[in-house]
Amino acid sequence: DGGITQSPKYLFRKEGQNVTLSCEQNLNHDAMYWYRQDPGQGLRLIYYSQIVNDFQKGDIAEGYSVSREKKESFPLTVTSAQKNPTAFYLCASSREATGRTGELFFGEGSRLTVL
Amino acid sequence: SQKIEQNSEALNIQEGKTATLTCNYTNYSPAYLQWYRQDPGRGPVFLLLIRENEKEKRKERLKVTFDTTLKQSLFHITASQPADSATYLCALDTGGFKTIFGAGTRLFVKA
Repeated sequence: DGGITQSPKYLFRKEGQNVTLSCEQNLNHDAMYWYRQDPGQGLRLIYYSQIVNDFQKGDIAEGYSVSREKKESFPLTVTSAQKNPTAFYLCASSREATGRTGELFFGEGSRLTVL
Repeated sequence: SQKIEQNSEALNIQEGKTATLTCNYTNYSPAYLQWYRQDPGRGPVFLLLIRENEKEKRKERLKVTFDTTLKQSLFHITASQPADSATYLCALDTGGFKTIFGAGTRLFVKA
């Protein structure tokens, strides 16, 4: 079955550590996204990528970094510069690569907790 | 400022009734609007998309309306079932790969 796989499901980080969240898709989608979800707030866009070797900052990119070396993979690194990283992180993809997002396909999410 | 508002209070209804959820937005001119379902600890799942030139869209027991004058979308679930209990997210595509999400409304359907 096609879909998006995120790992790990749960992750604990000590202050000052960088952690990387994995996102893999086998939907052959060009566009991929990382969102952050906090209680009582809408999903907020961290980074997005329209095509391999290209990515753009979203609304809350500070303290995060990404790479897009393969079409299938879009890992997110939460760096020590992110002051409040405890959140639920969602990776998504879409067929559209023409400036419109269209239907988003989400992974099951990764919950990061800072100890 | 740009804003999307969904009722933050949970909606409790009896099984078999119609659930109606509201999404209001300001200072956007979205090309289209989407609704997603999210279960606790899971990723959102796409339900319906309605374009700015469409007034209404249906899919099985789901119906979405989109009023660009009122800047409002209504999401209806008819003949609701306990399995429909979840959080429902409204999302606007404003172009440039940016989809803006509301915080969601939690729906509880009691048997």
